Formats: sequence, structure tokens, C-alpha cells
Amino acid sequence: AQSVTQLDSQVPVFEEAPVELRCNYSSSVSVYLFWYVQYPNQGLQLLLKYLSGSTLVESINGFEAEFNKSQTSFHLRKPSVHISDTAEYFCAVSEGGGSNYKLTFGKGTLLTVNP
Amino acid sequence: DVKVTQSSRYLVKRTGEKVFLECVQDMDHENMFWYRQDPGLGLRLIYFSYDVKMKEKGDIPEGYSVSREKKERFSLILESASTNQTSMYLCASSLPREAYGYTFGSGTRLTVV
Repeated sequence: AQSVTQLDSQVPVFEEAPVELRCNYSSSVSVYLFWYVQYPNQGLQLLLKYLSGSTLVESINGFEAEFNKSQTSFHLRKPSVHISDTAEYFCAVSEGGGSNYKLTFGKGTLLTVNP
Repeated sequence: DVKVTQSSRYLVKRTGEKVFLECVQDMDHENMFWYRQDPGLGLRLIYFSYDVKMKEKGDIPEGYSVSREKKERFSLILESASTNQTSMYLCASSLPREAYGYTFGSGTRLTVV
């Protein structure tokens, strides 16, 4: 069975500092990987995803994540964060090959950007 | 703009009441899901449905049931609400291909008193 571990439950940083949110997964088959973001009092929004091809994927607001198969990781990074990036971030994995699929989510990392 | 709409943002119910949480999607998605979200526990899957009138239990189905009579609507039912069901409930939908991920609703924060 697949599982997702987000290594940090909370990450406080100062504005304009770099940040890395860590995600490791376990799966015996090929996977699709996702990062979702949840702003306060809202639902989850898809931030970026890895399906195949280039191991580095980017979002429109400056985040990027790198798929590392050997380390079974999909860490999320941003070189310079803004106050508006304060949110909870969820990593998720879906095993490839099925048509009726489920995502398995990590427990989330709360990113707090301080001025 | 494609949407998953949950009928209530905030709901307060009394212990023992039967509670209905409604979710509607306008994307013609086959798959629909109900999660609850609690601090420190992340998202936990309650029930999901791959087609009309089909349902499958998730990780924490006890105390809940679901109904999917039409493709666009997936209802979560708390048969007899209890205080430990106070939570944020999230509905999601997806196409039957794992590459697309989920689209989530805005959530319903349910308080049982």
C-alpha cells in the first residue's frame, strides 16, 4: 500500500527567505505525485504535479518540486517566499495503472511566512 | 470556471440529529470523494464513489453513509451526529484517470453540540 510522509508539520520562515517542504512516499509501482495548497478557510487547490518526463515541475507562482525516484521523494521548494504563501501544503501520491484510483495524502505542512 | 460546490460553509447541529452534507460538481466527473480534515491528522477518506449508485468505504466510514443518485451530486449523511464528528468536511471529484488529480470544494465546517 502506498503512503506519504511529510516530515515537517510546521515550517516558519521570514519573508523573502527560501523554503523547502519535504515529502517522501512509499509505493511498489510507478506513481503520480501532487502538491496541493490550502489557504485559510478554503478547500485544497492543485499546486503542481509530476506525471512523467522531466523530474522538475513548476507552478505558476514560483514553487517547484523535484521527483527523486531513488530517494522516493518529491520535495517542494521556493527560492523566495511571500506573506501570501502562508498556507497548509499537502503532498499526495496516486499509483499508476488504475482507472478507479485514490489519492493518498500526507498530513500536511503548515507554512507560516513572517514579515 | 469548473466547480465543486458544497452547500454549506458552516453548520451547527445538535447531538443525535441526522445531518446531510451536499456536494455538487459541474465537470461531469465520474469519481467523487468525501474526506474529513482534523488538525494533526490530515485528510482521511470517509467514502468514495466511482459511478452513480456506487459507493465504497474509505478509511473511516463508521457513523457515516453516502448517496449518489445522480452523477453530479454526492451526499454525505451523518445518521446520528456526535460531538466527535465535529470537523471540516471536504468533497472532491475527479476523472477516472489518475493523472488529473482531484478538484476540491471549499469545505463545510461542521460543529456538533
